[in-house]
Amino acid sequence: GAVVSQHPSRVICKSGTSVKIECRSLDFQATTMFWYRQFPKQSLMLMATSNEGSKATYEQGVEKDKFLINHASLTLSTLTVTSAHPEDSSFYICSASPGTSGRIEQYFGPGTRLTVT
Amino acid sequence: AQSVTQLGSHVSVSEGALVLLRCNYSSSVPPYLFWYVQYPNQGLQLLLKYTTGATLVKGINGFEAEFKKSETSFHLTKPSAHMSDAAEYFCAVSDQSYNTDKLIFGTGTRLQVFP
Repeated sequence: GAVVSQHPSRVICKSGTSVKIECRSLDFQATTMFWYRQFPKQSLMLMATSNEGSKATYEQGVEKDKFLINHASLTLSTLTVTSAHPEDSSFYICSASPGTSGRIEQYFGPGTRLTVT
Repeated sequence: AQSVTQLGSHVSVSEGALVLLRCNYSSSVPPYLFWYVQYPNQGLQLLLKYTTGATLVKGINGFEAEFKKSETSFHLTKPSAHMSDAAEYFCAVSDQSYNTDKLIFGTGTRLQVFP
């Protein structure tokens, strides 16, 4: 149980285009989803937290207009990188949690590697 | 604010040797602590977690960790390393904010296992 999928696993796009990454909880309802970014050989940096049906909460320094997050249902959240540039190339990982509080653990997706050329 | 420090970005052991990965945390409230493993180009898999109760926590793949409040530590150990243990390991502490628990990750420790 507690499986989280991401699609696509890899994507290459041209500079200036937009890319959408999907995160799905397959066997549970995810009240909260998190989006992380991981640079090579570095740790995960939280980008934003989203609760179903409400606006995402972005971490300091993350451009909300560039990284659009939608959490439209209890099993799906999307991250759209708008007007992508080479510096946006990274490994993006989502996680999902069945609760909004209570320190319930997060279940991680397999990640999406974005390369912007 | 909470934080996690992982001492040693790289740890190398021989197959069969003891694995010890260090993690120290800083938290103003009782922490929830986690260890995750990441294999190349994959997401994170939970190894074990400490919430409340018994301070020695056993996880998957033979790993265990002990919560020591007096030392603010949560070191990860495995008695005998296996080649398949080679991966990146992350320690994390939960940070409850806006009624949603965020995870604060350490910088990670890459474990190499030599035959």
